[in-house]
Amino acid sequence: EAQVTQNPRYLITVTGKKLTVTCSQNMNHEYMSWYRQDPGLGLRQIYYSMNVEVTDKGDVPEGYKVSRKEKRNFPLILESPSPNQTSLYFCASSDLNTGELFFGEGSRLTVL
Amino acid sequence: AQSVTQPDIHITVSEGASLELRCNYSYGATPYLFWYVQSPGQGLQLLLKYFSGDTLVQGIKGFEAEFKRSQSSFNLRKPSVHWSDAAEYFCAVGRYSGGGADGLTFGKGTHLIIQP
Repeated sequence: EAQVTQNPRYLITVTGKKLTVTCSQNMNHEYMSWYRQDPGLGLRQIYYSMNVEVTDKGDVPEGYKVSRKEKRNFPLILESPSPNQTSLYFCASSDLNTGELFFGEGSRLTVL
Repeated sequence: AQSVTQPDIHITVSEGASLELRCNYSYGATPYLFWYVQSPGQGLQLLLKYFSGDTLVQGIKGFEAEFKRSQSSFNLRKPSVHWSDAAEYFCAVGRYSGGGADGLTFGKGTHLIIQP
């Protein structure tokens, strides 16, 4: 089954404690991306990657890091989380021709 | 830069009534347009997409959308809504560079409420 898998789905952490949200896709897509969803703001792109070892900033990259060492994986790293990073995070992938995004089920992060 | 506006934050419709959700976009070239639906606690599911060709696009769950270039709009419609259609709906426009698609710009969403 074609899917994008994120983990963890739910996480509560404290300010400053590094965390990683993993993302994996099995569709051999070149493109992967992270979005955050906040009430009243819709989805905003954090980072994206158009291929292995190629990453770029989206609209709201501050406080986040990503890496793309393998085509299927695209982890999101919060080196020092802060409360304003409390949000619902989505990983997505697509092929470069269509741009149609396939989303994971989301990771709800709370930073205390 | 591209942008997407969904003018209606909330819409309430009676079950069995028709539905139209509005979407306006700003994009310099011919847009690739999408509608996604998000049910409570779920991820986003693609309803339909427009790339080129026929401006009336059919999607899943009985939804359709019409691309109107002159109005920069891509409104979503359904002739008769069901209680299970209650969800958040997002319109999006594709972003493309020389290397290909590099993401979507989303509207802020429209929350659809179905009255019995």
